[in-house]
Amino acid sequence: GAVVSQHPSWVICKSGTSVKIECRSLDFQATTMFWYRQFPKQSLMLMATSNEGSKATYEQGVEKDKFLINHASLTLSTLTVTSAHPEDSSFYICSAPDRTTREETQYFGPGTRLLVL
Amino acid sequence: DQQVKQNSPSLSVQEGRISILNCDYTNSMFDYFLWYKKYPAEGPTFLISISSIKDKNEDGRFTVFLNKSAKHLSLHIVPSQPGDSAVYFCAASEGAGNQFYFGTGTSLTVIP
Repeated sequence: GAVVSQHPSWVICKSGTSVKIECRSLDFQATTMFWYRQFPKQSLMLMATSNEGSKATYEQGVEKDKFLINHASLTLSTLTVTSAHPEDSSFYICSAPDRTTREETQYFGPGTRLLVL
Repeated sequence: DQQVKQNSPSLSVQEGRISILNCDYTNSMFDYFLWYKKYPAEGPTFLISISSIKDKNEDGRFTVFLNKSAKHLSLHIVPSQPGDSAVYFCAASEGAGNQFYFGTGTSLTVIP
């Protein structure tokens, strides 16, 4: 079936560095991808909607200059955490709707765990 | 404002018995629902979905029930197995292709 992958699955970085997370749809093209973040013991919260060929749409309270999103192609969206700080340590998950099938569905990536030291 | 709520943060069930996880939502425009389970340090694993045109969807040991009038859905796992021990999230969206709103999760422990 359709799969959404994320890379890397784990990343540890020093405070002040930037980290890029990739989200790929492997079996289908996705004009839209969603980026979520999970804080400990909380539910997933939408950060932004990544749109192929146009700017991402950010949710209220999410710093667009800190969390750079680029939807480079119909199968790839990247989230770059710039100048990462310990409070950015979290679990980041992307998802992509597959609108090519008769019954539309959405697939979630396995997530990327970021630890900023 | 939490649009999807899971009011039970934890649930313990004996192996072989039925596990029932509940989820309530407030937005009547939601028409597509998912259940995920998550192990620590891993991403969510899709379990089962249901659209609002149905009131039940079954996949093996997992059955999801949707009560649109009550804005309530539930996940039944029968028989429960120790490997089912995880945190279960329900999620809802207006259409399968749009953003999902997640509940806060219910931690299920299946006791051998």
